[in-house]
Amino acid sequence: EAQVTQNPRYLITVTGKKLTVTCSQNMNHEYMSWYRQDPGLGLRQIYYSMNVEVTDKGDVPEGYKVSRKEKRNFPLILESPSPNQTSLYFCASSLAGRQGADGELFFGEGSRLTVL
Amino acid sequence: AQSVTQLGSHVSVSEGALVLLRCNYSSSVPPYLFWYVQYPNQGLQLLLKYTTGATLVKGINGFEAEFKKSETSFHLTKPSAHMSDAAEYFCAVSDRGGSYIPTFGRGTSLIVHP
Repeated sequence: EAQVTQNPRYLITVTGKKLTVTCSQNMNHEYMSWYRQDPGLGLRQIYYSMNVEVTDKGDVPEGYKVSRKEKRNFPLILESPSPNQTSLYFCASSLAGRQGADGELFFGEGSRLTVL
Repeated sequence: AQSVTQLGSHVSVSEGALVLLRCNYSSSVPPYLFWYVQYPNQGLQLLLKYTTGATLVKGINGFEAEFKKSETSFHLTKPSAHMSDAAEYFCAVSDRGGSYIPTFGRGTSLIVHP
């Protein structure tokens, strides 16, 4: 089954304790992206990657890091989480960048993060 | 640069009534257009999309949307709302001939009353 898998789905942590949210896709997609969703603000892009070893900042990259060492994985790293990073996070992938692609995104189920 | 405007952060309808969620876009060329739905405690899933051809697009669960180039709109409709339609709906566009990275609207929460 084609899917994007995120872990953990729920996490409560404390300020300053490094954490990683994993994302994996099994569709051989070149493009992967992280979004955060906050009430009234919709989806805001954090980072995206057009392919292995190619990453770029989105609209709200501060406080986050990413890496793309393998095509299927795109982890989101919070080196020193703060309460303003409490949010619902989504990973997504697509064929964006490949000839014939239309940009349709496939989303993970989301990871709800609370930073105390 | 492209942008997406969804009119109304919340839309409230009665069960059985028409659903109309509005989406207008700004783009230098006609883009690819998408509607995604997010049910409570779930990720986003594709409802329908317009890429080429017929401008009236049918999606899942009885929803449809019409691409109107002259109005730069892609409004989502459903003739008769069901309680299970209560969800967050996102309109998105991606640049035809560009990177295809989508731009999202802020979302519209559909509330369905019994």
